[in-house]
Amino acid sequence: DAKTTQPNSMESNEEEPVHLPCNHSTISGTDYIHWYRQLPSQGPEYVIHGLTSNVNNRMASLAIAEDRKSSTLILHRATLRDAAVYYCILRFYNQGGKLIFGQGTELSVKP
Amino acid sequence: DSGVTQTPKHLITATGQRVTLRCSPRSGDLSVYWYQQSLDQGLQFLIHYYNGEERAKGNILERFSAQQFPDLHSELNLSSLELGDSALYFCASSVDSYGETQYFGPGTRLLVL
Repeated sequence: DAKTTQPNSMESNEEEPVHLPCNHSTISGTDYIHWYRQLPSQGPEYVIHGLTSNVNNRMASLAIAEDRKSSTLILHRATLRDAAVYYCILRFYNQGGKLIFGQGTELSVKP
Repeated sequence: DSGVTQTPKHLITATGQRVTLRCSPRSGDLSVYWYQQSLDQGLQFLIHYYNGEERAKGNILERFSAQQFPDLHSELNLSSLELGDSALYFCASSVDSYGETQYFGPGTRLLVL
């Protein structure tokens, strides 16, 4: 299984942009890149996903490197409610919805 | 609120016992996924059902079993419980079998004493 590598923790200031990096050097051509986050005492929450092109939605943006060996989740203006563990996950297209979670990045947001 | 419901929220039981966790997916979703979250193993995929059929299995112990019923709700049965089975168990659902977007429930916290 292809693996992802993320920093254990990151800090951000409120209302500033946050760039959360993820390395996935063994990604294959049919692997989708997903981001989920888990707020304290809650289940994981879908954030965004992509295959090759950069993606935007109301929550965040996903920037995917041209060689697809890394990606960055961008929160444009961090709020205190964005403090969570962010998971970068590769979803194997031919294995349905099986999500392999790593350790994730714990994001703290300072007021 | 994701629209996925799980019952019970908390469960305390003894070693050797059997419990059943229940999950109701979002209205219209055909897939149900089960995940286990423990302090030492993190979030682990257990099993995926789509429209009543098993689609994928992860690191699910033989003592654990699951099924998805015709009304699409799912149950995860855990038997011969051990202390190490204490964990949060999450259910997620998605509209199809690809699972592009999975909606997670609030989880069931199981404590085995």
